[in-house]
Amino acid sequence: DGGITQSPKYLFRKEGQNVTLSCEQNLNHDAMYWYRQDPGQGLRLIYYSQIVNDFQKGDIAEGYSVSREKKESFPLTVTSAQKNPTAFYLCASSIRRGNRNEQFFGPGTRLTVL
Amino acid sequence: GENVEQHPSTLSVQEGDSAVIKCTYSDSASNYFPWYKQELGKGPQLIIDIRSNVGEKKDQRIAVTLNKTAKHFSLHITETQPEDSAVYFCAASKDTGNQFYFGTGTSLTVIP
Repeated sequence: DGGITQSPKYLFRKEGQNVTLSCEQNLNHDAMYWYRQDPGQGLRLIYYSQIVNDFQKGDIAEGYSVSREKKESFPLTVTSAQKNPTAFYLCASSIRRGNRNEQFFGPGTRLTVL
Repeated sequence: GENVEQHPSTLSVQEGDSAVIKCTYSDSASNYFPWYKQELGKGPQLIIDIRSNVGEKKDQRIAVTLNKTAKHFSLHITETQPEDSAVYFCAASKDTGNQFYFGTGTSLTVIP
């Protein structure tokens, strides 16, 4: 999975609790991303960050928050405001190599809210 | 914004046959088109990509073609093997941004 680690692999939480998903990369990539994956819906962008201390909302940011205090870390908090948080969450990072902008993914965290 | 559509959503082929997955995009400014393979319970892995200044690219049994005029691109897998069974995603992005727009995925099953 290209130097991107996500922990834990499986996470269970009670409804109404906030939960933070970890994402760390040692690839020295500038940009990092969080996607949510639901069956039959592909990958939907939650947040992305192009540099430290800066991030932008994606298509489905409501109910989520992020921080980017270090280049290698981009944690995602799923808040109690997220109405349907059970999903597979993927973290990614990207780098421009010449005329290519390559994106690499972590192994994912499956969050189940009970 | 960009809209990427992918077909078919499921595909079954006999081992040794070819598989073709097609994607269309809407933003003519998109110029980088990667393909990802996702195995069950894992993150997607980049398998091949193409830029808009190239019409076709091959890497052993996989190839990607791009038609800029029609705004569509395709993944071709020849001599399929059971280990090719996975979900495949296409994506589009452009140099002026860092966002990637994904298709909805194709679940490929190779029948031994």
